[in-house]
Amino acid sequence: GQNIDQPTEMTATEGAIVQINCTYQTSGFNGLFWYQQHAGEAPTFLSYNVLDGLEEKGRFSSFLSRSKGYSYLLLKELQMKDSASYLCAVRDPPSNTGKLIFGQGTTLQVKP
Amino acid sequence: EAGVTQFPSHSVIEKGQTVTLRCDPISGHDNLYWYRRVMGKEIKFLLHFVKESKQDESGMPNNRFLAERTGGTYSTLKVQPAELEDSGVYFCASSQDLTDTEAFFGQGTRLTVV
Repeated sequence: GQNIDQPTEMTATEGAIVQINCTYQTSGFNGLFWYQQHAGEAPTFLSYNVLDGLEEKGRFSSFLSRSKGYSYLLLKELQMKDSASYLCAVRDPPSNTGKLIFGQGTTLQVKP
Repeated sequence: EAGVTQFPSHSVIEKGQTVTLRCDPISGHDNLYWYRRVMGKEIKFLLHFVKESKQDESGMPNNRFLAERTGGTYSTLKVQPAELEDSGVYFCASSQDLTDTEAFFGQGTRLTVV
């Protein structure tokens, strides 16, 4: 079956660092995505990992270990505007249409 | 460049009525996906178009849902007749290639069936 797990909620302090974990068990794999979604808005792309290792993009970094079925999103120097839902999603291989399989999302609340 | 746009942003209908959701993908994007998020659950795949052809509709809940993409441009998703459990947020996403490192999402249509 397809299963993607991430914590439901997290709270962190402005200026701090937070790590959001995601574990997955899927029948196929063609990359892992992280999206940010503010309430009532479109999910917006944050990062993409297809090979093992760390991808850094400004204050955001994402890590992937394919052998462990594990990823994390690291947010540094947290700002109040980072309060949002963070979605982990695995992409099916192109032979299977390339659709995304999502976790439930992690709601991050940043406090002053 | 315009992003993925969806209409309407909100819709409230009575059980048994018909609703049609529309998605305009980014111009030139052959791949168009419909997803749905019901309350408390994860976003789930509904179907995938490549141009005007349905590549995968394995996620469609039942035959009350009909998706079309005439001419390979915009897409519509019709729910007829709507049931209470159809309430949720319907998202559309588009990409140029299946191997694109990013799929662009619309803001979603919040459907409430009462």
